[in-house]
Amino acid sequence: EDQVTQSPEALRLQEGESSSLNCSYTVSGLRGLFWYRQDPGKGPEFLFTLYSAGEEKEKERLKATLTKKESFLHITAPKPEDSATYLCAVQADNYGQNFVFGPGTRLSVLP
Amino acid sequence: ETGVTQTPRHLVMGMTNKKSLKCEQHLGHNAMYWYKQSAKKPLELMFVYSLEERVENNSVPSRFSPECPNSSHLFLHLHTLQPEDSALYLCASSRRGGEYEQYFGPGTRLTVT
Repeated sequence: EDQVTQSPEALRLQEGESSSLNCSYTVSGLRGLFWYRQDPGKGPEFLFTLYSAGEEKEKERLKATLTKKESFLHITAPKPEDSATYLCAVQADNYGQNFVFGPGTRLSVLP
Repeated sequence: ETGVTQTPRHLVMGMTNKKSLKCEQHLGHNAMYWYKQSAKKPLELMFVYSLEERVENNSVPSRFSPECPNSSHLFLHLHTLQPEDSALYLCASSRRGGEYEQYFGPGTRLTVT
């Protein structure tokens, strides 16, 4: 059965303390892996798309990487404004036009 | 208006009411989506429209009825809902269905009493 999991469920960091979030998937025929950020009471905000193993994307303090089984979202020297829930989603060959989202990682960055 | 807009932002309805959620995208996209987000559960994709044609319907109860009159507008008609349908309903759009990133609206917080 296809699955998308994320770990940890929640993460608390001190400002400036770098860390990584994980998104693991067990789908065949990956067409795209997407990272989103969601603030409380708001819709998800698109961050990155990764299409193939070895691909990397960067934006400010965030860097996303992809292997054949998982993706990492690296956060370098985070600030309190990086606090949010980070979601990953997968699109695959046998999904038609469906997307499957992971449960998310809730990140808190303390000043 | 820019991006994806949704109205109303909050809705309280009784189980016997009929209401509609509205979504409008100003991005020139061809695909639109309805998602349900409940507490402690991942985002659940409900419906996908591509070029105004429904292409995915993920086992959603018939009390939810989508409508896509054109590529910029999407509605979700609600009737005889249950309390467990209370959730955040999110609309999204993308350039084309499939491998392109989606842009989300702010959502409608629905409470069924």
